Amino acid sequence: AQKITQTQPGMFVQEKEAVTLDCTYDTSDPSYGLFWYKQPSSGEMIFLIYQGSYDQQNATEGRYSLNFQKARKSANLVISASQLGDSAMYFCALLTMEYGNKLVFGAGTILRVKS
Amino acid sequence: GAGVSQTPSNKVTEKGKYVELRCDPISGHTALYWYRQSLGQGPEFLIYFQGTGAADDSGLPNDRFFAVRPEGSVSTLKIQRTERGDSAVYLCASSLGPARGVRWNTEAFFGQGTRLTVV
Repeated sequence: AQKITQTQPGMFVQEKEAVTLDCTYDTSDPSYGLFWYKQPSSGEMIFLIYQGSYDQQNATEGRYSLNFQKARKSANLVISASQLGDSAMYFCALLTMEYGNKLVFGAGTILRVKS
Repeated sequence: GAGVSQTPSNKVTEKGKYVELRCDPISGHTALYWYRQSLGQGPEFLIYFQGTGAADDSGLPNDRFFAVRPEGSVSTLKIQRTERGDSAVYLCASSLGPARGVRWNTEAFFGQGTRLTVV
């Protein structure tokens, strides 16, 4: 199985609406972390939100929240009240000792926010 | 500078040539990572430095790739006998954290990358 999978190559969302970006992962290690990054056209990776496998609550950071479903091994990013500046590439990444304690990234989802 | 600086921003080279890519981390950051991002893919780990030493170089694809960080700040990624398959964006990231793991990755700052094209 793929270590980390993002099935949506591209997504469109209307400004001010919410959008969900999908991410599923595979690890047998009970201790792991899931990260979401934003990569605008300028190229740098910007950390958005983190979810630990033992965290009791779903992570939230401002307009970003993580829909963490451990049994399904999914960690979807929800962006509320989309803004034009949210248009970018979004990457989900997995960190676990099983994979050498280094971030393993998905292939990414391009998000376009329409006005 | 305020952030991680990578130079050049773009590099076009002929197949078989040698190239050097430079990363200037944020001042005082001890940990530094190199990643490679091929078109349409997420970044892939290449090498990790803690101070001057390469703590983990398991992601380097072959012996044509080498990286140094002689004084624990600036790092140079060196690619010998470049091949067309080496074409990618090479990203550098740095952090204060002395250790890897969750804290490092939530606090790491990335540069804007060097786009390498081998023709």
